[in-house]
Order: sequence, then C-alpha cells, then structure tokens
Amino acid sequence: GENVEQHPSTLSVQEGDSAVIKCTYSDSASNYFPWYKQELGKGPQLIIDIRSNVGEKKDQRIAVTLNKTAKHFSLHITETQPEDSAVYFCAATNSNSGYALNFGKGTSLLVTP
Amino acid sequence: DGGITQSPKYLFRKEGQNVTLSCEQNLNHDAMYWYRQDPGQGLRLIYYSQIVNDFQKGDIAEGYSVSREKKESFPLTVTSAQKNPTAFYLCASSLTPGYGYTFGSGTRLTVV
Repeated sequence: GENVEQHPSTLSVQEGDSAVIKCTYSDSASNYFPWYKQELGKGPQLIIDIRSNVGEKKDQRIAVTLNKTAKHFSLHITETQPEDSAVYFCAATNSNSGYALNFGKGTSLLVTP
Repeated sequence: DGGITQSPKYLFRKEGQNVTLSCEQNLNHDAMYWYRQDPGQGLRLIYYSQIVNDFQKGDIAEGYSVSREKKESFPLTVTSAQKNPTAFYLCASSLTPGYGYTFGSGTRLTVV
C-alpha cells in the first residue's frame, strides 16, 4: 500500500520566519495530496490540497509544491504567526487504497514570538 | 449547521468490554472513515465506507467492527480482541471518496 513519510517531526521557528514541511510518497499512482492542521484536542482541518496535474498551489501565506517525478510534496508557510502553532499532517491517496487517505506521522510546529 | 459529530468526547471502559463509538454526519457525504491516532504515529486507517451497506478494512482493522446501515451514521465498535484500545479515535466523511475530508472532534477512549 501507500507509504507516506513526513519530515521533520518537530519544527520550531520564530514569528515572521518561514516554515517548510516535506513529505514523500511511495505509490506513483497517488494523485491527490492534502495537508491538514490539527490543534490540541481537536480533529484535523484541511488547509490546502493539490492534485497531481498541478505543480504548485498558493493560498495567502501557505503554499504546496508537488514533484511527481521525485514523489515528494512540501508545505510552505510564510510570515509565520503564533497561531500557526499546531500539528500538520500530509496525506496521499489513489484508487488502489479505495481513495482513503494515507497520512504521514505529523510535524509539530511551534512558532515563538 | 452541517457537520460531523462524534460522541462521547471521553470514554472510559474496563478491559474485556466492547465499546461503541458514535459518528454522525449531516453533510450528505457518501464516504465515511475511522482513524486511530496515537502519539507520534499519525492517523492510521481502521475502516472506511464509500456507500451505505458496504465497508472495507483499513490498515489496522483487527479488533474493530463497523456498520453502515444509514448514510448519516458509521459507528465503530472496539472489541475485547483489540490489544491496545486506548487511543484517540477520529471519524471523517467526504462527498467524494478521498477528497476534502471533514473530521469530527474525536473520541478519546481509555481502557483500564
């Protein structure tokens, strides 16, 4: 099945700096790559996603890039704010897994003022 | 407001007892999913259902069972066969399988 690896597991940045989280996937058939943000004690929320026919997508301070050849995708957060502190998960899916999402193990992001 | 509701938020059970976690959605989504979350392990898929009266095992289905008798409901039973049931359980739904999951707020199950 699909295996999604996520790095780093923890990331600490100063307010205003950029943060980058990277993921790799194993199944070349994967065609949808969402990112979720989870705050303590809550369910994850979708923050941005990208499909395999697109290389980059931006939404204000967050962006996602996809390299299908290398089978990796990244989340970029610019001008970080303390409220960006949370756990971020990447995921991938394809028809082989019945389109159920396979998640990475998460990155705990801390933005210090 | 449309959404997905998991209940209860906290659940305590004695070892050897079966327990059922509730998941209800009013988003008119066809697909529903159960994930288990442990510290440092990410989200692992237990079961999923793309349509009423049909469901498939995920990566860690052993010791769990589900039913999908109604579109709105996808309850998860944690049986006594599950070796390490203490965890945070998340239910999700999506209009189209795999795309744009909406998650519930989770149930934290503690087995003592």
